[in-house]
Amino acid sequence: EVQLVESGGGLVQPGGSLRLSCAASGFTFRSYEMNWVRQAPGKGLEWVSYIRTTSTTVYYADSVKGRFTISRDDAKNSLYLQMNSLRPEDTAVYYCAREGRTTVGGMDVWGQGTTVTVSS
Amino acid sequence: SSVLTQPPSVSVAPGKTARITCGGNNIGSKSVHWYQQKPGQAPVLVIYYDNERPSGIPERLSGSNSGNTATLTISRVEAGDEADYYCQVWDVSSDHRVFGGGTKLTVL
Repeated sequence: EVQLVESGGGLVQPGGSLRLSCAASGFTFRSYEMNWVRQAPGKGLEWVSYIRTTSTTVYYADSVKGRFTISRDDAKNSLYLQMNSLRPEDTAVYYCAREGRTTVGGMDVWGQGTTVTVSS
Repeated sequence: SSVLTQPPSVSVAPGKTARITCGGNNIGSKSVHWYQQKPGQAPVLVIYYDNERPSGIPERLSGSNSGNTATLTISRVEAGDEADYYCQVWDVSSDHRVFGGGTKLTVL
């Protein structure tokens, strides 16, 4: 079964750090581009970051650039998001999502999400 | 980056046709993807590349894209279609992925 499972969310104080993980299974992880997408409580989806295969290229939303770092370990079939200098507005459910190889950029597999709460 | 505009809500009676729009500057030149999200669940890709359906998505869902508007059409609407729907594009100029604000579909 193709699956993505996020972990690492929790409660953190403003200015703190957190590292999210996304474990992939059921497909050849190294062959797929990956994204992090977040959803603040009661709000819509917001794209956060993208990483190409072999980690050659990464992109970030302006709202997180300079604070978040996306990475992947293909040997461990895992995607990561290092989040530093966290702000209350970073509070959200964070999803990892796969870009399908035949869906022209459409994200065809999503994890169940992990919740990040930034509050004092 | 691109800005995608969706109506906050659309209401439709069962058995009728719902149309959810996604407006953006020259969106017709981009590939548009649509996601369905039900409460407490992760999004699901329902349309990619303007009008292609992933396996398992019913033919009642279709997409179109031209000019400044992309449209998700749901025919013969069922109660189970009630959800939030999001459009998404890849902004080539910035390489950012961009989501619309989302539309809540209510089945009356």
